[in-house]
Amino acid sequence: RKEVEQDPGPFNVPEGATVAFNCTYSNSASQSFFWYRQDCRKEPKLLMSVYSSGNEDGRFTAQLNRASQYISLLIRDSKLSDSATYLCVSSPGGFKTIFGAGTRLFVKA
Amino acid sequence: DTAVSQTPKYLVTQMGNDKSIKCEQNLGHDTMYWYKQDSKKFLKIMFSYNNKELIINETVPNRFSPKSPDKAHLNLHINSLELGDSAVYFCASSRDPNQPQHFGDGTRLSIL
Repeated sequence: RKEVEQDPGPFNVPEGATVAFNCTYSNSASQSFFWYRQDCRKEPKLLMSVYSSGNEDGRFTAQLNRASQYISLLIRDSKLSDSATYLCVSSPGGFKTIFGAGTRLFVKA
Repeated sequence: DTAVSQTPKYLVTQMGNDKSIKCEQNLGHDTMYWYKQDSKKFLKIMFSYNNKELIINETVPNRFSPKSPDKAHLNLHINSLELGDSAVYFCASSRDPNQPQHFGDGTRLSIL
């Protein structure tokens, strides 16, 4: 089993749609979680950190479920510019960072 | 002001050559990383340094040798390049391992 697993997609959604991604992690000792966004041929960029209480930033909401060991990302009112690959990240400690393989999102007009 | 800068951006070279990629961060971060992203787009950590000390070496061949002359720099030297080394290499830094990472814009390495 991979340490961080994501549905690779692609998710094809129309503008204005709501889309959700889930990501599971295997190491129950993981303390820090993040969502990154990566555009084609670009570097990953932090989208948001994921806290136990969940957090929201505009159209984006991230949730953490420790009991089931998954994190989620919800994007509301999708824009064309949201098209990208979304990377789930878990830090199990010991300076280790595990990236998921990414979920591709295409938002269409 | 580029927070994490890598050079060169593109590197095309022949099998068997030795090459280096440089990375510098001006964020004052203590932790720096090297990642490899292959053609399948999977981003895999290679090395992690904290305060110039090697912390993680993720089963990377010893042809890859990182060097951190100071906290702001983490360079990657690769000996005897092989076809399978073709990938995008990303440098990153963070305040500490539990904080978000800032990435350089990558070095695209192509082996002929």
